[in-house]
Amino acid sequence: GQQVMQIPQYQHVQEGEDFTTYCNSSTTLSNIQWYKQRPGGHPVFLIQLVKSGEVKKQKRLTFQFGEAKKNSSLHITATQTTDVGTYFCAGRDTTSGTYKYIFGTGTRLKVLA
Amino acid sequence: GAGVSQTPSNKVTEKGKYVELRCDPISGHTALYWYRQSLGQGPEFLIYFQGTGAADDSGLPNDRFFAVRPEGSVSTLKIQRTERGDSAVYLCASSPGYDTQYFGPGTRLTVL
Repeated sequence: GQQVMQIPQYQHVQEGEDFTTYCNSSTTLSNIQWYKQRPGGHPVFLIQLVKSGEVKKQKRLTFQFGEAKKNSSLHITATQTTDVGTYFCAGRDTTSGTYKYIFGTGTRLKVLA
Repeated sequence: GAGVSQTPSNKVTEKGKYVELRCDPISGHTALYWYRQSLGQGPEFLIYFQGTGAADDSGLPNDRFFAVRPEGSVSTLKIQRTERGDSAVYLCASSPGYDTQYFGPGTRLTVL
């Protein structure tokens, strides 16, 4: 079945440093979503990417969807303590006849002030 | 407006008991998802409703798990003969269509 892996599993950065998490699917995706989950909280939607090679920016966050639509990345420029949390990607398989999403394993980000 | 709500927020039960977890989605959202999240893991897909029907229940672990959404709004996840391995946070999410999922706060289920 479809599997979605993320690396790294954990990342500790000094405030102001950049951060990147990578998401890799075993199958081709129709679209990919990114979520942020604060400690003790629930996932909060960040963005959705649909097109091959798509790049979207939200302030300090840059999201990319790979050309083959099997991988994606999230890059945060100049991290802040408010960026702390776990970042998940969630992909929908192109062979799926429904809107079922498989979540990645997540990358936990800690930002040291 | 009101977000997704889930009740109870915490449920402690004994092995072998039956539990029901409730999800109130955002009004007007046609899609509803149930996920299970264990500590340190990503949300694991259980079932997805489009309206009243279960469009995809391929994530339900076994026949002890069942979910309904009789009127296309509130949904109930039902777990029979609970096992210690069922302990997790059960998350519900609703969506107005096929993109953004709005998650509820979750129900933490502990099976003793």
